[in-house]
Amino acid sequence: AQTVTQSQPEMSVQEAETVTLSCTYDTSENNYYLFWYKQPPSRQMILVIRQEAYKQQNATENRFSVNFQKAAKSFSLKISDSQLGDTAMYFCAFMKDAYSGAGSYQLTFGKGTKLSVIP
Amino acid sequence: DAGVIQSPRHEVTEMGQEVTLRCKPISGHNSLFWYRQTMMRGLELLIYFNNNVPIDDSGMPEDRFSAKMPNASFSTLKIQPSEPRDSAVYFCASIIRGNTEAFFGQGTRLTVV
Repeated sequence: AQTVTQSQPEMSVQEAETVTLSCTYDTSENNYYLFWYKQPPSRQMILVIRQEAYKQQNATENRFSVNFQKAAKSFSLKISDSQLGDTAMYFCAFMKDAYSGAGSYQLTFGKGTKLSVIP
Repeated sequence: DAGVIQSPRHEVTEMGQEVTLRCKPISGHNSLFWYRQTMMRGLELLIYFNNNVPIDDSGMPEDRFSAKMPNASFSTLKIQPSEPRDSAVYFCASIIRGNTEAFFGQGTRLTVV
């Protein structure tokens, strides 16, 4: 079974600054996907960024980027130029290779990090 | 597309009552998931369906919980009888196989008093 650990229950950052959220995971799989989801107070789960384990290049989406260290099983999220709208819970999530057998496509989530952006 | 639609948005019920949560996945999506979110346990998978067929219900906590997907555009999660410890936010998500992006509904906040 896979486990996802987010060791920072809460973090804060000044507006326009950079913040990094940590995530580690444990799996015996070789092919998998990692995600960061954002959950603002509206409760909606929003995909922020996605990383395929077989890709060495770190994924980036505008102000969001990841540092994926496969050997260390680490997957951190960096938010640059933080904005007030980034205030939310952030969840790291794991998905087994979508082309493997039963259990594919289901997400295993970490407990989340509550990020507050301070004006 | 309107996205994944869940109803109701909020539900308050008395202990012992039957509760039914509803989900309409995105048209064309062929996998559907029910997740439960609590402060203590975070987000947990309850059950998922592929092409309307339940594949893994090992996350369903007790026999009081049941889920159905009678067709590709509708799923229900039923709790009977409900208990205060069932209070949580229940999310439905759908995905199209071959694409790893899961789309979530806005969730149903269930309060059992």
